[in-house]
Amino acid sequence: GAGVSQSPSNKVTEKGKDVELRCDPISGHTALYWYRQSLGQGLEFLIYFQGNSAPDKSGLPSDRFSAERTGGSVSTLTIQRTQQEDSAVYLCASSSRGRSYEQYFGPGTRLTVT
Amino acid sequence: DAKTTQPPSMDCAEGRAANLPCNHSTISGNEYVYWYRQIHSQGPQYIIHGLKNNETNEMASLIITEDRKSSTLILPHATLRDTAVYYCIVRPGSNTGKLIFGQGTTLQVKP
Repeated sequence: GAGVSQSPSNKVTEKGKDVELRCDPISGHTALYWYRQSLGQGLEFLIYFQGNSAPDKSGLPSDRFSAERTGGSVSTLTIQRTQQEDSAVYLCASSSRGRSYEQYFGPGTRLTVT
Repeated sequence: DAKTTQPPSMDCAEGRAANLPCNHSTISGNEYVYWYRQIHSQGPQYIIHGLKNNETNEMASLIITEDRKSSTLILPHATLRDTAVYYCIVRPGSNTGKLIFGQGTTLQVKP
């Protein structure tokens, strides 16, 4: 079956602009996660959804970052007033009920802020 | 979640077993050991997990010491495609949320 998909695969934006990153999880997966990976850095958790609710937003680095999930499926991560330090690969993952340890990751969106 | 320690890098000859160690000396009784890997330019991939018994699946084997303070991931016959960063993660089995990734071990499989 289809895996986790993310769009766009690459995004170049100017400092100060807003961007939206999209994630389509595996069909039927109830949990959805956003992570980011900066050059030379490890994987950093951002936010976790169970259904349409976000019980853990602890990794969002500032109030410029927000995310929503609708219909228990697609999720959008929005970054407002982008800064150069936001440049990273943004990864989305999903997991089925009861198997949160087995997260399936998408290919990521590479964001470059110029 | 308990802290894990892994060597930053390892080499392995193609066709030989790759043994990747992980130290988790502060692991709690309810915490499992999980392994993921990340091949270059891809998202991480789940490999295997265990609590205290040794585990084996089609990808790898996981050996956990009796005191559970360390574990070893074994790739029995490493191929060039196994070149990746391998992450050892410890967290409670009841945890339903995030994974916390450390720096991992970069495994280079050489021909």
